[in-house]
Amino acid sequence: GAGVSQSPRYKVAKRGQDVALRCDPISGHVSLFWYQQALGQGPEFLTYFQNEAQLDKSGLPSDRFFAERPEGSVSTLKIQRTQQEDSAVYLCASHNNSPLHFGNGTRLTVT
Amino acid sequence: QKEVEQNSGPLSVPEGAIASLNCTYSDRGSQSFFWYRQYSGKSPELIMFIYSNGDKEDGRFTAQLNKASQYVSLLIRDSQPSDSATYLCAVNRGNTDKLIFGTGTRLQVFP
Repeated sequence: GAGVSQSPRYKVAKRGQDVALRCDPISGHVSLFWYQQALGQGPEFLTYFQNEAQLDKSGLPSDRFFAERPEGSVSTLKIQRTQQEDSAVYLCASHNNSPLHFGNGTRLTVT
Repeated sequence: QKEVEQNSGPLSVPEGAIASLNCTYSDRGSQSFFWYRQYSGKSPELIMFIYSNGDKEDGRFTAQLNKASQYVSLLIRDSQPSDSATYLCAVNRGNTDKLIFGTGTRLQVFP
C-alpha cells in the first residue's frame, strides 16, 4: 500500500476487555515499530520488529501488552484486561533504511 | 533527565517571522536526528532529518546539529499560520533504530 495502515481508527473498550490493534506497514519495509502517545506527550516506544523477529520489547508497560508479526508483514498489538491508563493513541511506524513513516494511529479509550 | 528534552511552549510568532525550535539530548552515541510535525489529532509526519554536524536546509526549513553540545534545532523561515502544530524532536538511541521522542513544542503562528 501507499502508506502505513492501522485499524481500527477508534476503539472504545470497557475496563477488563481485551483489544487487538492491527498495523499494515508499507510494502517491503523490514522494520516495524509500535509507539504509545498519551495526550500532550510525545510518542513513547513500545516494541520493535525486524521482519518477524521482535528485537526489542523493553517499552511494553506490562505483561498485559503483547505484539506479534508472524509473517514479517502485518503486526498486531494486543492488550489484555485493559485499564483506564491504557487510553492513548497507538502509533505504528515502519521503515527500510529510511526515516520512520507513521500510520494514522488507533485511538483507544478505556471506560 | 529525559533523554530528549524540548520546551513544551507554546511558542507564538507572527506570520512571516522565523520560528526557532530547540531540542537537547542526553545519549552521546546518538547518530540520527529527526524533526516531525504533528497536527492536532493527526500522526507525526517527517519534516527534516540530519546526521552530520552543521546545517541542513530544505525550503523554508533548516535543521542545525551540534553534537558537542548535544543540541539540535529547527528553524522555520517565513512562518505561516499553516505551520501551527506540535514539533517533535526524535533521536535514535545509541547504535539502534529505536527513536526516542521529546514531548514536543507547540508552535502558534498568528496572522
